[in-house]
Amino acid sequence: GQQVMQIPQYQHVQEGEDFTTYCNSSTTLSNIQWYKQRPGGHPVFLIQLVKSGEVKKQKRLTFQFGEAKKNSSLHITATQTTDVGTYFCAGLYSGGGADGLTFGKGTHLIIQP
Amino acid sequence: DGGITQSPKYLFRKEGQNVTLSCEQNLNHDAMYWYRQDPGQGLRLIYYSQIVNDFQKGDIAEGYSVSREKKESFPLTVTSAQKNPTAFYLCASLGPGNTIYFGEGSWLTVV
Repeated sequence: GQQVMQIPQYQHVQEGEDFTTYCNSSTTLSNIQWYKQRPGGHPVFLIQLVKSGEVKKQKRLTFQFGEAKKNSSLHITATQTTDVGTYFCAGLYSGGGADGLTFGKGTHLIIQP
Repeated sequence: DGGITQSPKYLFRKEGQNVTLSCEQNLNHDAMYWYRQDPGQGLRLIYYSQIVNDFQKGDIAEGYSVSREKKESFPLTVTSAQKNPTAFYLCASLGPGNTIYFGEGSWLTVV
């Protein structure tokens, strides 16, 4: 089946440092979505990217979708302790959708004050 | 409020016992999903249902069963055939724009 690779698996940063997680698919995606799961919680939708080369911002978070629609990144500027959690990307493939999204394995963000 | 309700939040299962996790949604979504999440790991698809009275196996369906008799309800049974059931179980539905709405999850522990 289709796979979405996400790296790194874990990322330790000092509070105030930047953070980036990357997702890559071997085949073209119809769209890509990002979710955040706080410790002990459930994943919550953050954003969806649809267009080639699309860039979207939410305060300190910047999301990018690659020109070939095969990769995406989430960048957090000046991390805060509230950013702690696991960030998942999830890709939707063209002609797919029947079994939903294909999730990456997530990047665990750990912030040291 | 609209959303997905899972119950119970915590459940303990004895060896050889079947347990059922409840999932109810009032979002009027057609497609529903069950995912399993092991500590520190990603989401693995167990079963999904696109419409009432229809469901399909996901990547790790062995030892699990589901039913979809009503649009609002998609219960998951963890059977005794599932040898390592201790995990966090997430029910979800597919909303507009193909975004996934998750319930708060159920923690299952084998004792």
